[in-house]
Amino acid sequence: AQTVTQSQPEMSVQEAETVTLSCTYDTSESNYYLFWYKQPPSRQMILVIRQEAYKQQNATENRFSVNFQKAAKSFSLKISDSQLGDTAMYFCAFMKITGTASKLTFGTGTRLQVTL
Amino acid sequence: GAGVSQSPSNKVTEKGKDVELRCDPISGHTALYWYRQSLGQGLEFLIYFQGNSAPDKSGLPSDRFSAERTGGSVSTLTIQRTQQEDSAVYLCASSVTGQGGQPQHFGDGTRLSIL
Repeated sequence: AQTVTQSQPEMSVQEAETVTLSCTYDTSESNYYLFWYKQPPSRQMILVIRQEAYKQQNATENRFSVNFQKAAKSFSLKISDSQLGDTAMYFCAFMKITGTASKLTFGTGTRLQVTL
Repeated sequence: GAGVSQSPSNKVTEKGKDVELRCDPISGHTALYWYRQSLGQGLEFLIYFQGNSAPDKSGLPSDRFSAERTGGSVSTLTIQRTQQEDSAVYLCASSVTGQGGQPQHFGDGTRLSIL
């Protein structure tokens, strides 16, 4: 079974600054996907970024980038130039690759507050 | 609609009653998932449907929980004889297919409160 750990329950960052959210996972699989989802107060889970485990290059999406360390089973999210709209819960999630539909295994989340 | 639609948005019911939660996935998506998010917790997988295949029910917490997906589209999650520990946000997601790390697109969820 897979587990995902987010060790930072809450974090705070000032607007325009950079913040890094941590995520570690445990799996015996060699190929899988990792995701970061954002959940604002509206409750909808929004995909932020996705990383394929067999790709060494770290994924980036505008101000969001990841530091994927496969050997260390670490998958941190860096948010650059933080904006007030980035305030939300952030969830790290793991997906095993199978031939059919695959469930996501989530961490417990990090609540990020962006302040003026 | 463009996204995953869930109804009702909020549901309050008395302990022991049955409830039905509805999910309308993105048109054309063959995979549909249900998750539960309890207060202060991450999301917990409940069940998924993939096309005409038998659903994976491995996450359902008890036999009081069941789900169906009619015509490969709309899904209903039913909780019988509700208990207070069933209080949570129930999230539905869909993806184009279930293969190859397809991202899952989530609805806004149903907040269920058991009195």
